[in-house]
Amino acid sequence: GAGVSQSPSNKVTEKGKDVELRCDPISGHTALYWYRQSLGQGLEFLIYFQGNSAPDKSGLPSDRFSAERTGGSVSTLTIQRTQQEDSAVYLCASSLGPEAFFGQGTRLTVV
Amino acid sequence: QKEVEQDPGPLSVPEGAIVSLNCTYSNSAFQYFMWYRQYSRKGPELLMYTYSSGNKEDGRFTAQVDKSSKYISLFIRDSQPSDSATYLCAMTRVGGSYIPTFGRGTSLIVHP
Repeated sequence: GAGVSQSPSNKVTEKGKDVELRCDPISGHTALYWYRQSLGQGLEFLIYFQGNSAPDKSGLPSDRFSAERTGGSVSTLTIQRTQQEDSAVYLCASSLGPEAFFGQGTRLTVV
Repeated sequence: QKEVEQDPGPLSVPEGAIVSLNCTYSNSAFQYFMWYRQYSRKGPELLMYTYSSGNKEDGRFTAQVDKSSKYISLFIRDSQPSDSATYLCAMTRVGGSYIPTFGRGTSLIVHP
């Protein structure tokens, strides 16, 4: 596609449930990032994938968060046993170099 | 101290004004500097990208980097109501992974 695509655009889930967020990067981009943006806050780095290298998971806030990237393309961010503090916009970006291009985000609300 | 500091604003200006948005940073390893614009309930959109020190101009937008002061700026000339958005600065290191580190963003309001 022309840009980074994320789905769903909105997700409401009950506390304690697991959720999966999907990201389709720009075709050919080797790097993929996940960020989290809470209300009125900047972007908090979560995880980074580059080609076939081991991902940089240094930003994941707890072991309830995990992500995978299949075939060097599509990525899924999974949050297990969701908590209310997980409510935020989850942004995915991809790049070939320093400039990252973002999707529209998934707005997650945990009730 | 955060690696990248940015005043969250809001910054309110009249239409036609020159806007100056700024970030400071602490890590001298940062070499690539970017500005993103984010409209409400949208993803960040890359506006400009510069490498190392100097100026870069694109239409009404000018990005400026002063590495000696660890200070970057984005100037918007002839500001328009459609420029009302949150502006985020971001920067990355040279070599290895290019994981951008972001400022909090500055909310800009341009009123007619």
